[in-house]
Amino acid sequence: NAGVMQNPRHLVRRRGQEARLRCSPMKGHSHVYWYRQLPEEGLKFMVYLQKENIIDESGMPKERFSAEFPKEGPSILRIQQVVRGDSAAYFCASSNTGELFFGEGSRLTVL
Amino acid sequence: AQTVTQSQPEMSVQEAETVTLSCTYDTSESDYYLFWYKQPPSRQMILVIRQEAYKQQNATENRFSVNFQKAAKSFSLKISDSQLGDAAMYFCAYRRAGGNKLVFGAGTILRVKS
Repeated sequence: NAGVMQNPRHLVRRRGQEARLRCSPMKGHSHVYWYRQLPEEGLKFMVYLQKENIIDESGMPKERFSAEFPKEGPSILRIQQVVRGDSAAYFCASSNTGELFFGEGSRLTVL
Repeated sequence: AQTVTQSQPEMSVQEAETVTLSCTYDTSESDYYLFWYKQPPSRQMILVIRQEAYKQQNATENRFSVNFQKAAKSFSLKISDSQLGDAAMYFCAYRRAGGNKLVFGAGTILRVKS
C-alpha cells in the first residue's frame, strides 16, 4: 500500500512564476491536508479538503494560494506569482477518519 | 485558539542514555489527542506516539514513552536507550477530538552523541 506521494520533491521558481504542488493520498483516503513548514519552524496548517470540496481553508493566505482535490487525480496546491517568502517545505497528509499520514514534502525555492 | 509550546530548541543526549523532551499546550477542550512526530533529515514526518486525553495511562511505544499531565497541560516525551538513529527534529502536536487540524509546536532538535 503506497504512502502519500508528493511531487515534485524539489521545485525552483523565479519571482512571479507559478508553482504547482501535487499530492496523491494513500489508497482509500478521502481527506487531504496541506501544511507549510518555514525554515526552523513547525508545520502550519493551510487547508483541508475532501473530494471536490474545501472543508477548511482557514490557514490559506487570502491571495495567490489555492487548492483543489478533484474527483479524479491528485490534490493540487497552486501558488501564483510566487515571492521569496513562499520558499518553504509544503507537506501533504491524508487520512480516512483517523490518523494522518504525511508525505515527504515538496521543497519550494523562490529565486 | 489552541497553542503548543516546545521550550527546548535543542537537546543533546549520549548514546544509550535517556532524554526527555518537553511540551506544553493550551486548550479549553476536554477531549483531544496529543502526538509526537519525528522529522529526520529526510524531512519525512513520522508518528512516534499518540495519547488520547481521556486515557490516564501514559502511552508507550518500545523505547518511547510519554508523561501526560492533563491538569498541567504537559506532554513530555522520554526516549530511553537513545540510538544514533533517534537524532532528528521532534514535534509535539495537538488535535481536538472531532477536529481535523493538527497544531504543531516549533520543534526540538535532538542530537545523539556517540
